[in-house]
Amino acid sequence: DQQVKQNSPSLSVQEGRISILNCDYTNSMFDYFLWYKKYPAEGPTFLISISSIKDKNEDGRFTVFLNKSAKHLSLHIVPSQPGDSAVYFCAARDAGGTSYGKLTFGQGTILTVHP
Amino acid sequence: NAGVTQTPKFRVLKTGQSMTLLCAQDMNHEYMYWYRQDPGMGLRLIHYSVGEGTTAKGEVPDGYNVSRLKKQNFLLGLESAAPSQTSVYFCASGQGYGYTFGSGTRLTVV
Repeated sequence: DQQVKQNSPSLSVQEGRISILNCDYTNSMFDYFLWYKKYPAEGPTFLISISSIKDKNEDGRFTVFLNKSAKHLSLHIVPSQPGDSAVYFCAARDAGGTSYGKLTFGQGTILTVHP
Repeated sequence: NAGVTQTPKFRVLKTGQSMTLLCAQDMNHEYMYWYRQDPGMGLRLIHYSVGEGTTAKGEVPDGYNVSRLKKQNFLLGLESAAPSQTSVYFCASGQGYGYTFGSGTRLTVV
């Protein structure tokens, strides 16, 4: 059972426009959510995160929104740049018991930003 | 400032062969993880460790073994490789809020 889902395998956006990447989760024990970015032939790198007690976190061009009632989070990139083209993974941390700190990842969304 | 180092970066194995993937971190993290990345499946947890001498199963542990004899090293072993284990393997270490990943090992089993 996939506890973290990214239902859009890919997204194509024009440079300068907004990119919106979505993520849904099912486990109410998740207390922290993260977005990772991955370029080809490299490991994922941390991008931005949000605690479950907040509904928004902003860092430059990147903003993450959390809707706990809908178990949904989204990553907004404004304005999008060609260098943002990468695979984006949503991840959630389980606060419960012996799995504390363990991250569960979504399937990833390939973002392509066209010049 | 190495972070997390994985060796080797590439490997081709024949079915039935064995190998060990090495992960080393220099950040003094307690927690270390092994993930595999497959198209459409995202990153799936194979095994993890919450400290030296400890290991635990993740989401897809079958066919793999791990050891954490030293805090800085986490080894992933394949005793008898199968084509289904063709994947990109990532090691990560983390403490609290988020991980640092290695650059990955691309393994092909033929």
